[in-house]
Amino acid sequence: AQSVSQHNHHVILSEAASLELGCNYSYGGTVNLFWYVQYPGQHLQLLLKYFSGDPLVKGIKGFEAEFIKSKFSFNLRKPSVQWSDTAEYFCAVTRPSGGATNKLIFGTGTLLAVQP
Amino acid sequence: GAVVSQHPSRVICKSGTSVKIECRSLDFQATTMFWYRQFPKQSLMLMATSNEGSKATYEQGVEKDKFLINHASLTLSTLTVTSAHPEDSSFYICSARDTGAYEQYFGPGTRLTVT
Repeated sequence: AQSVSQHNHHVILSEAASLELGCNYSYGGTVNLFWYVQYPGQHLQLLLKYFSGDPLVKGIKGFEAEFIKSKFSFNLRKPSVQWSDTAEYFCAVTRPSGGATNKLIFGTGTLLAVQP
Repeated sequence: GAVVSQHPSRVICKSGTSVKIECRSLDFQATTMFWYRQFPKQSLMLMATSNEGSKATYEQGVEKDKFLINHASLTLSTLTVTSAHPEDSSFYICSARDTGAYEQYFGPGTRLTVT
C-alpha cells in the first residue's frame, strides 16, 4: 500500500533558522506531491505542489520543495523561518490516474514551533 | 477563490443521536468531495470519497451505515454520523476537488463531541 513518511514529528527552531522537513513516499510509479500547512485553529492550506517538470518547486511564503525521484523524497525547505511559520505541516501524495478518485495519502505531519 | 465551508464548526451531541455535517464548495463546482477524520496529533485519515449523483466510496474499516454520505449537488456533500458514540468524537474535515483538477481544497473542519 502507498504510504507517506514524515520523519520529524516535532521541530523547534529559532527565528531566522533554516528549515528542512523530510517526506518520503513508498509508491514507485508517477505521483503528484503536495505540502499542506495547518496554522493553529485554521484549515489546511496548500503550500506547494509538484506534478511534473522542474523538480524544484516554489510555493507560497518563501517555501520550496525538491522532488528527488531516486530517493522517493519531497523535502520542504525554507531558508529563514519566522514566528508566523509556527504550524503543522503535512506532506501528501496522490497518483495522477486521471480517475475521479485520486485519493490524497497524508503523512503524519510535522509540528513546527518557531521561537521568537 | 476555491473556498470550502463546513457547518457546523463545532457540535456536541448525546450518545445515540445523529449529527449531520455539511460541506459546501462556495465558488466552484466539485464533482468529488472527500471526508477525512483527524485524531489529535495524528494525520488526516480518509474516510470516504463522495461523488455527485452516485454512492460514496468508503475506505476499508469505515462503516458506511454509520457514516452516511450524500452528495446531492455539485456544491454540497453531507456526512451524517448515525447513533453517535463517544468514540466517534473527532475532528471531521471535508475537501472538494474542482471538476477536472487534481488539487483539493479543504474546509475548516467540524469538531464533534459525543457525550
